[in-house]
Amino acid sequence: AQSVTQLGSHVSVSEGALVLLRCNYSSSVPPYLFWYVQYPNQGLQLLLKYTSAATLVKGINGFEAEFKKSETSFHLTKPSAHMSDAAEYFCAVSKAAGNKLTFGGGTRVLVKP
Amino acid sequence: DAMVIQNPRYQVTQFGKPVTLSCSQTLNHNVMYWYQQKSSQAPKLLFHYYDKDFNNEADTPDNFQSRRPNTSFCFLDIRSPGLGDAAMYLCATSRQGAKEQYFGPGTRLTVT
Repeated sequence: AQSVTQLGSHVSVSEGALVLLRCNYSSSVPPYLFWYVQYPNQGLQLLLKYTSAATLVKGINGFEAEFKKSETSFHLTKPSAHMSDAAEYFCAVSKAAGNKLTFGGGTRVLVKP
Repeated sequence: DAMVIQNPRYQVTQFGKPVTLSCSQTLNHNVMYWYQQKSSQAPKLLFHYYDKDFNNEADTPDNFQSRRPNTSFCFLDIRSPGLGDAAMYLCATSRQGAKEQYFGPGTRLTVT
């Protein structure tokens, strides 16, 4: 069975500072990995995805994530936080077969001025 | 713009009164999903359709039913809502063979 663990349910960063959200996965086969963002009272929006091509994946809104097989990690980063980055972020994994996603518990990001 | 639409965005129902939530999509995706998301939790998959093929999650209560009359529309029926069913309900779609899912804005259900 595959699973996703997000370290830290809440992260607080200052505007302009680095954003780092941690995601570790367990999967017996090479996974497909995703980061989604959810603003209050909204659905989930896809930030980026890893599908076994380049290990460094660039997404929307200046975010990127690096797939590290040796560490079973897929951490999300943004060099400089903006107030509009305040939201909840979910890491998710999908197996090669089928379309179902397994989500991590989410990390809520607070951006301080 | 191609999108996933959910109506209504906010729904209030009474304890035990049946309620239907709707989802439509203009993406022409053949897979549609319904998720339940409670406060400060990850979305939980209730069921999904692969074309007309219905796939129920093992732990989805019988109180939750779904219909997909055509490719574009999918409905979530809650036969007898309880207070514990108050949540955000998210609809999502994906294309056959693709892994990423596209989500609607959700319907927030309140049960009084």
